[in-house]
Amino acid sequence: AQSVTQLGSHVSVSEGALVLLRCNYSSSVPPYLFWYVQYPNQGLQLLLKYTSAATLVKGINGFEAEFKKSETSFHLTKPSAHMSDAAEYFCAVSDNTNAGKSTFGDGTTLTVKP
Amino acid sequence: KAGVTQTPRYLIKTRGQQVTLSCSPISGHRSVSWYQQTPGQGLQFLFEYFSETQRNKGNFPGRFSGRQFSNSRSEMNVSTLELGDSALYLCASSLGRRGGYTEAFFGQGTRLTVV
Repeated sequence: AQSVTQLGSHVSVSEGALVLLRCNYSSSVPPYLFWYVQYPNQGLQLLLKYTSAATLVKGINGFEAEFKKSETSFHLTKPSAHMSDAAEYFCAVSDNTNAGKSTFGDGTTLTVKP
Repeated sequence: KAGVTQTPRYLIKTRGQQVTLSCSPISGHRSVSWYQQTPGQGLQFLFEYFSETQRNKGNFPGRFSGRQFSNSRSEMNVSTLELGDSALYLCASSLGRRGGYTEAFFGQGTRLTVV
């Protein structure tokens, strides 16, 4: 069984500040890990993915995440927040035996203050 | 190339009715997965279809069903609607090959409101 825990349902940062969204996972097999962003009444857009290659993954819009197996973590960071980053972010896990099924965290709403 | 298309975008139904939602995947994609998103339960996996066969199933009652056609388009059906079925229903398409990662692309969702 797989699970994802996102620490903090709401995160607020100032424009230009560091963004850090936390994600811990549990998986009995080597995981694939993802971060998605969702804007109101929209679908999910993939920000970045870890699929067992490099542990530091760079994604779109300046986001990156580091896979740490020893900590079972996959935290999302961005050095400098922009107003347009305000959205809901989801961490998800799947594996190569069930690629069509992802388990999602509860989401973190990011607010960016001017 | 065109993205994942879900129709309709918005739907209002009455308790007890049934509803059918449609998802057209990206051309060439053979896997379609469905998710329910609610404020209380978050994003929950409903089922996945690959080459017209249900390959994975989540923990939803039998009122929720789906199918996939030979052109990979998928429909999901909810019978005897309950107020708690109000949600954003998302579908995702991917190449769906086993044994390796294939990226999933999400549609914009269908917002179902049950009154």
